[in-house]
Amino acid sequence: QSVLTQPPSVSAAPGQKVTISCSGSSSNIGNHYVSWYQQLPGAAPKLLIYDNNQRPSGIPDRFSGSKSDTSATLGITGLQTGDEAEYYCGTWDRSLSTVVFGGGTKLTVL
Amino acid sequence: EVQVWESGGGLVQPGGSLRLSCTASGFTFDDYAMTWVRQSPGRGLEWVSTISGNGADTYYPDSVRGRFTISRDNSKNTLHLQMNSLRAEDTAVYFCAKQMMTATWTADCWGQGTLVTVSS
Repeated sequence: QSVLTQPPSVSAAPGQKVTISCSGSSSNIGNHYVSWYQQLPGAAPKLLIYDNNQRPSGIPDRFSGSKSDTSATLGITGLQTGDEAEYYCGTWDRSLSTVVFGGGTKLTVL
Repeated sequence: EVQVWESGGGLVQPGGSLRLSCTASGFTFDDYAMTWVRQSPGRGLEWVSTISGNGADTYYPDSVRGRFTISRDNSKNTLHLQMNSLRAEDTAVYFCAKQMMTATWTADCWGQGTLVTVSS
């Protein structure tokens, strides 16, 4: 049972848009920045979004992040088959004094 | 190019010990905190430990505190994770990651991971 809640899976057609939600509480998302990671099959996680909505250099603007109260959202537009991966949100939890992750969302591009 | 890569994984019996290493290149190693994150087979990510740039501060979740020790040798750009009293539930791929200088924990460069299997 993950501290942050993500949908197990989402799907959309190539070229379409998808959003992935990450729900937490005031002890984590509500008071800390959120980062998002993409993990392609058999690969290491890769940072997509940090500080809720900032993209590292090299990450295309098809990827976006937002946060509202105790929830965060990752958006991906212009879906490509290469976007098929597991996506994780992460942040700090002040009550647990640990880094916490969502359980991951598997994106399928149909 | 910023890179980190892990070594030292393998098969160990329950109750045994193992030491993981992570070598870094492409950045000023002692400027950045470093982290270990693990992923059990078919499962999600779990934070294991973080160490500050100068090594003075270390952080652990309850699941490994007292059994695992993180350390670093800034003269060799190397990070270590000493794992003692290993349990079956410690079986996972262990990733080394460089942290960003941000207000909240963020890992911006990850290694490919090293597999630790705890089994008799």
